Amino acid sequence: TQLLEQSPQFLSIQEGENLTVYCNSSSVFSSLQWYRQEPGEGPVLLVTVVTGGEVKKLKRLTFQFGDARKDSSLHITAAQPGDTGLYLCAGAPPRGSQGNLIFGKGTKLSVKP
Amino acid sequence: DTAVSQTPKYLVTQMGNDKSIKCEQNLGHDTMYWYKQDSKKFLKIMFSYNNKELIINETVPNRFSPKSPDKAHLNLHINSLELGDSAVYFCASSLMGFSGNTIYFGEGSWLTVV
Repeated sequence: TQLLEQSPQFLSIQEGENLTVYCNSSSVFSSLQWYRQEPGEGPVLLVTVVTGGEVKKLKRLTFQFGDARKDSSLHITAAQPGDTGLYLCAGAPPRGSQGNLIFGKGTKLSVKP
Repeated sequence: DTAVSQTPKYLVTQMGNDKSIKCEQNLGHDTMYWYKQDSKKFLKIMFSYNNKELIINETVPNRFSPKSPDKAHLNLHINSLELGDSAVYFCASSLMGFSGNTIYFGEGSWLTVV
């Protein structure tokens, strides 16, 4: 069974601080996605990384896919209260294989002004 | 325009009742899903339909029955509701399958069984 471990589970920081969220697995994924979920809403896709070693930037957010396509990280620079939410990573099974998109258990981020 | 819409948003019902949650997507996607998010925020797939055909049916009690009248709709019917069914149920859709495609989620249906 493929599993995605996310850490930390909870993170409470002050505005302006930097943070990194990790997503790890022993399985290889064809791609990995990061979602953000705000209270009372559904998850919204932030980014998809496909190539091992790939780095994508979305303003103050930097996403990295591990070389072996088993892990990923999300780094936020100078966090703002608007970044508060639940961050979920999700791994897609290798192409051609039967399987589901596997979600991590999420990192709940709170950024205090 | 809401891409994936589901109703009702909130549902409080008694144990033993039967209830349905409706979902519609206006994105022209081929694949639709039902996910369950528990109190610990763990998001787990329940069903996946591609062009009205069931392609994934995870280990879900057979009290849960999805129905797809057309590829824009995927409804979830739940029989004999139990306390453990309390959760947020998300409908979602994607262009085709999981790999690399963006999954668009609805806003969720908060089900509370009392």
